Amino acid sequence: AQSVTQLDSQVPVFEEAPVELRCNYSSSVSVYLFWYVQYPNQGLQLLLKYLSGSTLVESINGFEAEFNKSQTSFHLRKPSVHISDTAEYFCAVSDVTGFQKLVFGTGTRLLVSP
Amino acid sequence: EPEVTQTPSHQVTQMGQEVILRCVPISNHLYFYWYRQILGQKVEFLVSFYNNEISEKSEIFDDQFSVERPDGSNFTLKIRSTKLEDSAMYFCASRARGRETQYFGPGTRLLVL
Repeated sequence: AQSVTQLDSQVPVFEEAPVELRCNYSSSVSVYLFWYVQYPNQGLQLLLKYLSGSTLVESINGFEAEFNKSQTSFHLRKPSVHISDTAEYFCAVSDVTGFQKLVFGTGTRLLVSP
Repeated sequence: EPEVTQTPSHQVTQMGQEVILRCVPISNHLYFYWYRQILGQKVEFLVSFYNNEISEKSEIFDDQFSVERPDGSNFTLKIRSTKLEDSAMYFCASRARGRETQYFGPGTRLLVL
C-alpha cells in the first residue's frame, strides 16, 4: 500500500517570496509522482510530474519539484510566488504498472498575500 | 484543448434516494476513474474502469455504488441509496493508454440531507 504525507496544511507567504510545499511518500514499489493544483471552485489540474530520468521537474508557471529517492520526498518549490498562486496543492503517487490509481496527500493550502 | 466534463455541478438529495453522477471523459482515453473528496479531507480513490469492467475498487466502493459506460461516451457513478456520509465532491478522471497523467473533471458536489 502507498501513502502520501503533506505535513503543512496551510502555508501563508507574501507575494514575491519563495515557497516550499513538502511531500513525503511511502511505497514498496516504484511510483510515479504528481503535484496537482486546485484553484477555488475548480477541479484538479496537473502541475507537474516525475516519471523517470532527471530528478528535477519543472512546470510552465515557474514551479519545480525534485524527486529524492533516499528521502522519499517530492517537495514543490517556487522562487517567487504571485497572488494568483493561491490555491490548494495536492501531492499524489501511483504505481508504475497496473491501473495506476492515484493516492493523494491531504493537501496544502498556499495563501499568498500582498 | 479536450477536457473532462461532469454533470451536474451540484446535487442535493434526500437520504435513501438514488443519484447518478455523469462524466464525459476525453474521447480517446481508455481508463476511467472516480474519486471523492469529503469536505476538509483528502481526495480518495473509489474505482477504476477499463475495457467495460471495473479494474480496481476501494473499500469505500461497496454494493451501494456502481459504475457504467452506457453509450461509449458517458461514464456514470450511481449511488443506490444515499447516506449522509456520501456528501462529498465527486471527481471523474480519465487517462490515455500508455500515458501516466489522469485528467480530472470539475467535480460534482453532492449534498445528502
